[in-house]
Amino acid sequence: AQSVTQLGSHVSVSEGALVLLRCNYSSSVPPYLFWYVQYPNQGLQLLLKYTTGATLVKGINGFEAEFKKSETSFHLTKPSAHMSDAAEYFCAVILNSGGYQKVTFGTGTKLQVIP
Amino acid sequence: GAVVSQHPSRVICKSGTSVKIECRSLDFQATTMFWYRQFPKKSLMLMATSNEGSKATYEQGVEKDKFLINHASLTLSTLTVTSAHPEDSSFYICSARPRRSPGNTIYFGEGSWLTVV
Repeated sequence: AQSVTQLGSHVSVSEGALVLLRCNYSSSVPPYLFWYVQYPNQGLQLLLKYTTGATLVKGINGFEAEFKKSETSFHLTKPSAHMSDAAEYFCAVILNSGGYQKVTFGTGTKLQVIP
Repeated sequence: GAVVSQHPSRVICKSGTSVKIECRSLDFQATTMFWYRQFPKKSLMLMATSNEGSKATYEQGVEKDKFLINHASLTLSTLTVTSAHPEDSSFYICSARPRRSPGNTIYFGEGSWLTVV
């Protein structure tokens, strides 16, 4: 079975400060890992993804994440927070199971950016 | 990028009636579509997975007869909430996986807010 854990349902950072959103997963097979962002009253938007290859992946809006197999982690970072980054962020694991794709989401982390 | 459209974005219906939500992949063929429900202050819950031309696979605890899912074509899946109850009020999101999907990327619709009164 696969699972995703996001530590901290709410994270507050000052504008210009480092953003770090944590995501740990469990999976019996190599997973595909994703980060999605959800702005208020909107759907989900893909930020970045890891499938194979380079473990440090860069996404939109200056975000990046590093896949660390030994730590089963895929933390999301951004060097300098902007007010427009305030949103809810979801980590997701996607596995192919029996020919079907199964998506498991973390519980989400709401990011607040303080001026 | 790939676009998934959901309609309606907001709908209000009376208790006991049925409401249909459409999910369309606008610029790609989707072999698999997923339906999620998002409860307030909680994460997304996968309701069911539908593959074109076959019956949907429902997650444990999701009532098949209440949440009817049809994936009639490679670009359209529908979710029908039957005999709607106020407890069904929620944010419903669909996603679609393209026929050719490098890295298994899936794309999400904007979601549909359902309010049952």
